[in-house]
Amino acid sequence: GESVGLHLPTLSVQEGDNSIINCAYSNSASDYFIWYKQESGKGPQFIIDIRSNMDKRQGQRVTVLLNKTVKHLSLQIAATQPGDSAVYFCAEGRRAGSYQLTFGKGTKLSVIP
Amino acid sequence: SQTIHQWPATLVQPVGSPLSLECTVEGTSNPNLYWYRQAAGRGLQLLFYSVGIGQISSEVPQNLSASRPQDRQFILSSKKLLLSDSGFYLCAWSGDGGGTDTQYFGPGTRLTVL
Repeated sequence: GESVGLHLPTLSVQEGDNSIINCAYSNSASDYFIWYKQESGKGPQFIIDIRSNMDKRQGQRVTVLLNKTVKHLSLQIAATQPGDSAVYFCAEGRRAGSYQLTFGKGTKLSVIP
Repeated sequence: SQTIHQWPATLVQPVGSPLSLECTVEGTSNPNLYWYRQAAGRGLQLLFYSVGIGQISSEVPQNLSASRPQDRQFILSSKKLLLSDSGFYLCAWSGDGGGTDTQYFGPGTRLTVL
């Protein structure tokens, strides 16, 4: 979910379990959503995106779910691995009329070996 | 494939000194380019974006400026650094199709102002 103040929400999962990271977005006009992964000291890395005409999209070991009714986005990671440990954040935008994305503050995923 | 470079990777500068961070993109033409600052535990703050050579839009009035002298080069500058300019600076690019699109980030520059 979204962070409060300076402290990121943290999700700890056992290696091999599935992880679910949530994000609440703010703009009902947003029609494009992206998940990024950021490892410590590195730039954010694109994971997966979804457009508002879809409610589910799958990638390799990842699935993004979109619920426009409640403005909620989730990222599911299957069979979580130690290399998945990172901060994950969502971004929302509109495909037309704007060059900007709005980024969430992120959730820190810690994988327990 | 497209790649994005930033340098330097880390920088320690005294208060009042000038700044120049560079970002270059390879493998694409006419990209949209962005500068962000990321403070610890916070989201990305958009500083500047550019849709073409010499075209700069500023999102936050501050001590920084940006320039785009070439199609795939984006520079972040300051004449006099402040302590509050410390942070992790990220450059990003997106396609030129117009409208919001996926942004791809560089490796970042960690700036410490002392």
